Amino acid sequence: GAGVSQSPSNKVTEKGKDVELRCDPISGHTALYWYRQRLGQGLEFLIYFQGNSAPDKSGLPSDRFSAERTGESVSTLTIQRTQQEDSAVYLCASSLFPSGANTGELFFGEGSRLTVL
Amino acid sequence: KQEVTQIPAALSVPEGENLVLNCSFTDSAIYNLQWFRQDPGKGLTSLLLIQSSQREQTSGRLNASLDKSSGRSTLYIAASQPGDSATYLCAPGRPRDMRFGAGTRLTVKP
Repeated sequence: GAGVSQSPSNKVTEKGKDVELRCDPISGHTALYWYRQRLGQGLEFLIYFQGNSAPDKSGLPSDRFSAERTGESVSTLTIQRTQQEDSAVYLCASSLFPSGANTGELFFGEGSRLTVL
Repeated sequence: KQEVTQIPAALSVPEGENLVLNCSFTDSAIYNLQWFRQDPGKGLTSLLLIQSSQREQTSGRLNASLDKSSGRSTLYIAASQPGDSATYLCAPGRPRDMRFGAGTRLTVKP
């Protein structure tokens, strides 16, 4: 696609429910990142996918959080049994792996705003 | 793990001033450094990308420099305008380890 696409743009859910957030990266981008941004705070790294390598899950805050990516395409971030502190904007970014002429420039989606009541 | 610090945390200037935003990072093994702006409630917009072999990049009124060995980058904004008001974020790029500073919140007063 032309840019990184995320859906839904807004999600309101009740505490305890599961949610799925979707990221569609730029076509051909092998690297994909998920970040979380709480209100008034900086970007918090969650997870990184690169091609078929094992993902770097070191930023996932708890076992309620998981993410999948099929090959080099769409990624889904799942939050189980949501809590109020999960309320945040979840941002996805993609890039080409830096090598040769590829600069590794990072492109962001508009984010998915999650509100847990 | 890469640690990124941005100074100042907030900056308020009158329109027309030239200003400098600072970014420092702990691990200099980077392949690039990007500067982004974020408007309230929005995603991140890329402003400039400096590759590790470069020392600076310019785009319009923006100039970014990179001193990889000392772990520093600066973003220079010339002749600031109210439309420049946003949060500016730097991100030293490393595969598997893209970390962001907390940003500098810039307000340019008319």
